[in-house]
Amino acid sequence: AQRVTQPEKLLSVFKGAPVELKCNYSYSGSPELFWYVQYSRQRLQLLLRHISRESIKGFTADLNKGETSFHLKKPFAQEEDSAMYYCALGGFGNEKLTFGTGTRLTIIP
Amino acid sequence: DTAVSQTPKYLVTQMGNDKSIKCEQNLGHDTMYWYKQDSKKFLKIMFSYNNKELIINETVPNRFSPKSPDKAHLNLHINSLELGDSAVYFCASSQRGLAGDDEQFFGPGTRLTVL
Repeated sequence: AQRVTQPEKLLSVFKGAPVELKCNYSYSGSPELFWYVQYSRQRLQLLLRHISRESIKGFTADLNKGETSFHLKKPFAQEEDSAMYYCALGGFGNEKLTFGTGTRLTIIP
Repeated sequence: DTAVSQTPKYLVTQMGNDKSIKCEQNLGHDTMYWYKQDSKKFLKIMFSYNNKELIINETVPNRFSPKSPDKAHLNLHINSLELGDSAVYFCASSQRGLAGDDEQFFGPGTRLTVL
């Protein structure tokens, strides 16, 4: 069975402070991890995926297979980062994407 | 040039009614999905279709029946609506049939309220 855990439902961070949204997963195969984001009044969209090893909007996420984690980080939060963030787990050849319960990030001006 | 569109955006109906939600994608993708997002924002897959063929059916009640007339459309029909069906339903699509390693593109959602 595959499972994604996002322990924080709500996270408030001051503007300019570092941000870390936690994600842990459980999966027996080779995982593919994603972060999806939903800004206010916008549709859910892909933020980044671990295989790309990119930094998107200043966010990075490193897959740690030992700790089965894929935490999302940004060194300096901006007000426009306020959104709902979902960690999602798939895998090569796996037909299903499993989402975590989401973390609502609020950046305090 | 909306990529994934859903209609209607809002749907308010009485218990026991039958309703449909439509989804269309113009991305040329092979696979389409329906997700349900409950009041706690939990997003859970319901169905997926690849080239009109059902791939995933996640223990959803028989009252929910997806229909894919072609690979660009995946409609969701719900019979005998119940209060617990109130949620936001998202349609999504991905290029290939294996969603686990493929980006999904989401529609704007349909907020269903059952009274």
